[in-house]
Amino acid sequence: AQSVTQLGSHVSVSEGALVLLRCNYSSSVPPYLFWYVQYPNQGLQLLLKYTTGATLVKGINGFEAEFKKSETSFHLTKPSAHMSDAAEYFCAVSGFNAGNMLTFGGGTRLMVKP
Amino acid sequence: NAGVTQTPKFQVLKTGQSMTLQCAQDMNHEYMSWYRQDPGMGLRLIHYSVGAGITDQGEVPNGYNVSRSTTEDFPLRLLSAAPSQTSVYFCASSYMGRGGYGYTFGSGTRLTVV
Repeated sequence: AQSVTQLGSHVSVSEGALVLLRCNYSSSVPPYLFWYVQYPNQGLQLLLKYTTGATLVKGINGFEAEFKKSETSFHLTKPSAHMSDAAEYFCAVSGFNAGNMLTFGGGTRLMVKP
Repeated sequence: NAGVTQTPKFQVLKTGQSMTLQCAQDMNHEYMSWYRQDPGMGLRLIHYSVGAGITDQGEVPNGYNVSRSTTEDFPLRLLSAAPSQTSVYFCASSYMGRGGYGYTFGSGTRLTVV
């Protein structure tokens, strides 16, 4: 079965520091890749997605992610963390099953210290 | 444009009770799905539908039923609630477009089974 692994259930960074959230997937073919953000007691908001084409994808709020097929990775980065980035982040993939439903990683909670 | 609407937002059930979580979308999306979110486990697929009259099981279908009589509605039924079904439930609709698959999530239903 296909799976998505997010390394680090909790990541803490200082305001202004680099944010790096890791995501690896298991698949023999390139899937569609997504990053979602969830603020406390809210639903899921799409940050960015990769389908085809350029492997560096830019999203909202200054985030970007790079699809590396050789490493089966899709890590999320932001050059400078802001307090408002504190949230839970989910990596997800689709393209594996009928209906192309999403398979999610376990999530990473990002904490930003002043 | 309401997107995906879930009702209720909060619900407390007693063990053994049954209930239906409602989900409606107004975007004419062909695909709909239900996920549950539990701490550390991300979102897991319960059931999904690839069109009216067509449903299938996801990763964690036990204890839940679905039906899809119209394109717009995809209710999730808990037959006999158990404490293990305490979770946050998200409904999503999706489509295949020029940019690949797009997914829209509802705001969630927080269910507590006591």
